[in-house]
Amino acid sequence: DVKVTQSSRYLVKRTGEKVFLECVQDMDHENMFWYRQDPGLGLRLIYFSYDVKMKEKGDIPEGYSVSREKKERFSLILESASTNQTSMYLCASSYRGRASDNEQFFGPGTRLTVL
Amino acid sequence: DAKTTQPPSMDCAEGRAANLPCNHSTISGNEYVYWYRQIHSQGPQYIIHGLKNNETNEMASLIITEDRKSSTLILPHATLRDTAVYYCIVRARIYNQGGKLIFGQGTELSVKP
Repeated sequence: DVKVTQSSRYLVKRTGEKVFLECVQDMDHENMFWYRQDPGLGLRLIYFSYDVKMKEKGDIPEGYSVSREKKERFSLILESASTNQTSMYLCASSYRGRASDNEQFFGPGTRLTVL
Repeated sequence: DAKTTQPPSMDCAEGRAANLPCNHSTISGNEYVYWYRQIHSQGPQYIIHGLKNNETNEMASLIITEDRKSSTLILPHATLRDTAVYYCIVRARIYNQGGKLIFGQGTELSVKP
């Protein structure tokens, strides 16, 4: 089975801290994605990556950055955490260049609370 | 991507078929219909997708109307574990670019004993 894992299920940080959220997939997927999910707003795409060292902004990239140094790992970085970044963060991956481009596999999510 | 409309919530009795509708009247010829679901406190899970023919897999069936303006996801024998939010997404397959999925509000399906 495809497996997407995220480093933490729950995380509590303080305002101004630098926060790293890690995502690892074991299916050799080229594409990786970071979403956040908030009540009433659904899932919103923050950043995505089509390949190692490549990144593209999603719909809400402000306040975030990403890193993809290895194919299996995609990191989301909150440079200076703020309370409005309290959310559920979801990582996903998918194949590229095949018919299954839109079939994304999601991790369990990280619930981040910024105090 | 075409916009989709789903009812906010539905109930279904355990063991009965759950039929979840989705309207996508502005769908274009190269856009597929995808269904995902999200069980509480978990990440979304891909269920099924189709273009114009009906599709079936081990999880569900997808019925797309002939004019492609609407579709129905069918869970043939719903169980309590099927209680989740179900998302209908319409998107073209763009090869070599990956999928930027747009999740709407979905339908919250409650399967009751």
